[in-house]
Amino acid sequence: ETGVTQTPRHLVMGMTNKKSLKCEQHLGHNAMYWYKQSAKKPLELMFVYNFKEQTENNSVPSRFSPECPNSSHLFLHLHTLQPEDSALYLCASSRKLGWMNTEAFFGQGTRLTVV
Amino acid sequence: DAKTTQPPSMDCAEGRAANLPCNHSTISGNEYVYWYRQIHSQGPQYIIHGLKNNETNEMASLIITEDRKSSTLILPHATLRDTAVYYCIVRVAGNDMRFGAGTRLTVKP
Repeated sequence: ETGVTQTPRHLVMGMTNKKSLKCEQHLGHNAMYWYKQSAKKPLELMFVYNFKEQTENNSVPSRFSPECPNSSHLFLHLHTLQPEDSALYLCASSRKLGWMNTEAFFGQGTRLTVV
Repeated sequence: DAKTTQPPSMDCAEGRAANLPCNHSTISGNEYVYWYRQIHSQGPQYIIHGLKNNETNEMASLIITEDRKSSTLILPHATLRDTAVYYCIVRVAGNDMRFGAGTRLTVKP
């Protein structure tokens, strides 16, 4: 148990569906992240939130829409996805204090399959 | 952040020490070395990090060469549960964690 919880663990959705991934951290961290891991590829950083403000969007298509209502919760809203979006989606959190950023702690991920 | 180079795969016998190398020849003075591992289809797990001194915790030891251009993660008594992909990451303290391909360690009975 890392203190970062992701739900659901598995999700199958059609290309016309809308779904959301949820992440919650109980570590008192103030930065949260979404990563994508496609089959046999390294983790790709998608979005970064620092104190609820989005500070990075790594050229992610608009069919992925993040939301960070507070420092403990992070969502990834999905709509009109493509089969190539099937991947393991990982949430992480860390503590950012000024110029310091602690190590990140990861959730177990959501295995997404788009059919 | 500096680029790292790791062997794509390694094997280790159960009960033996696993020594995982990482090359980071372009590391700068304010960059830390971090190690994570990812067991199949789970989230990455933080192991250890250091700046220039060797570090040890309950999971592993990190040995950083004096010139800081390379490091070695040591799992002193590898078990089957240590089979995973191990990532060496070099980053400035304030930056976000970015992952490369890592080393796939297979611990064999």
